[in-house]
Amino acid sequence: QSALTQPASVSGSPGQSITISCTGTSSDVGGYKYVSWYQQHPGKAPKLMIHEVSNRPSGVSNRFSGSKSGNTASLTLSGLQTEDEADYYCSSYTSSSTLVFGTGTKVTVL
Amino acid sequence: QVQLVESGGGLVKPGGSLRLSCAASGFTFSDYYMSWIRQAPGKGLEWLSYISSSDNTIYYADSVKGRFTISRDNAKNSLYLQMNSLRAEDTAVYYCAREFRRWQFDYWGQGTLVTVSS
Repeated sequence: QSALTQPASVSGSPGQSITISCTGTSSDVGGYKYVSWYQQHPGKAPKLMIHEVSNRPSGVSNRFSGSKSGNTASLTLSGLQTEDEADYYCSSYTSSSTLVFGTGTKVTVL
Repeated sequence: QVQLVESGGGLVKPGGSLRLSCAASGFTFSDYYMSWIRQAPGKGLEWLSYISSSDNTIYYADSVKGRFTISRDNAKNSLYLQMNSLRAEDTAVYYCAREFRRWQFDYWGQGTLVTVSS
C-alpha cells in the first residue's frame, strides 16, 4: 500500500488560510469516510485534528476544517497562527483492512 | 485522564527481538481497539498493526507481517508488540494509539525509540 500523496510543504502568513491536499485512490480515500488528519509538533506525538473527513474532536479549534472530493481529501487552516506551524498527516482506511498515512506536509507560518 | 505509556525500546542487533509494552490508564482499556504506529527518524508515520478490543480481530501492515505480533492483556490494561527478525529499517519511534472511531486515533503515547544496529 503506497502512502497517500501530500505536498511536502505549505506556507502562509499569519491570518491567511492554507489548504493541504491528500490524494489517494478509490481503494482508500475515495472509498471510505474514515479519513483523518493529525498535527505533529517536533518531538511530540501526533494529535487528532479531524476525523471522518470533516469532524473536529472536542477541543480542536474551528479554524481547522476538512473535506473530501473523489480521491482527494483536504485540510484547511483558516486564520493561520504561529502555533499552527507543524507537520500534518492525513490517513485513510483501505480496502485491504489496513491504514495508510500520507507523506506529510510541513506547514510554515511566515 | 487518558494516558498511554510505551516502554521496552532500546538498541538491538539486526536479527534480534524486542517486546514493546503500552500501559493504558484513565479509560476502560477493554472497550477500545488499539494500534501500533511507528515513525522512522525524520520520516512520516507508518501504521503497523491493529487489535480489536477482545483481540479476535488483528491486522498487520505487509512490512511487518510474519515478524511482528500484536497482543493485549485487558486484565493488565496493556498492549504489546513482539518484534522478531529486526532490521535496520525498523529503527523508529514506536507509538501505541487508541482508536476513537474506526481506524482513527484520539490518544497516542509519547513513543519509545527502537534502534536496530550492529
